[in-house]
Amino acid sequence: GAGVSQSPRYKVAKRGQDVALRCDPISGHVSLFWYQQALGQGPEFLTYFQNEAQLDKSGLPSDRFFAERPEGSVSTLKIQRTQQEDSAVYLCASSLKTANSPLHFGNGTRLTVT
Amino acid sequence: QQPVQSPQAVILREGEDAVINCSSSKALYSVHWYRQKHGEAPVFLMILLKGGEQKGHEKISASFNEKKQQSSLYLTASQLSYSGTYFCGTEIDVNRDDKIIFGKGTRLHILP
Repeated sequence: GAGVSQSPRYKVAKRGQDVALRCDPISGHVSLFWYQQALGQGPEFLTYFQNEAQLDKSGLPSDRFFAERPEGSVSTLKIQRTQQEDSAVYLCASSLKTANSPLHFGNGTRLTVT
Repeated sequence: QQPVQSPQAVILREGEDAVINCSSSKALYSVHWYRQKHGEAPVFLMILLKGGEQKGHEKISASFNEKKQQSSLYLTASQLSYSGTYFCGTEIDVNRDDKIIFGKGTRLHILP
């Protein structure tokens, strides 16, 4: 079956531009997570959803970051007025539910802000 | 709240054993282990629940000591395919549908 799909795979943005990163989770997966991974580091939690409800957004670095999952399936992470420090790989993961469920990761979107 | 992994990096020869540790300052409900190869997504290895459970996956097994708030991943008779970065992820409060927080990772390199 299809895994978690993220698009675009690579994104280059000029500083100050807005970007939108898309995540298509595995069908039927209730929970969806966004992580930011800098080079050589572990995935840093950004936010997560259970269906369409955003249960925790404590990891979003600033109010320039916004995530949504309006119909409880596809999710979009939006970054406004991108800065160089936003350059990273953005990973999306989904799971059947939150507790005790393995995370299935997408291949990520590598964002480079120039 | 981020779990601490040790060591940061390990170099082994094929066939040798390794142990990777993960510790938390908070009581844990569960511990996840993932492996990530360069340029790829993290791949799930196993979940351990509180209760001192030990699980196995091929020649990779893990334990979870709830009292010590620690988990260890054991790789025996390592193979070249085991190379990659290993991350532990911790869940603290399952009743609140808590998030999973990852450590900084342990880089494992297997030499032929």
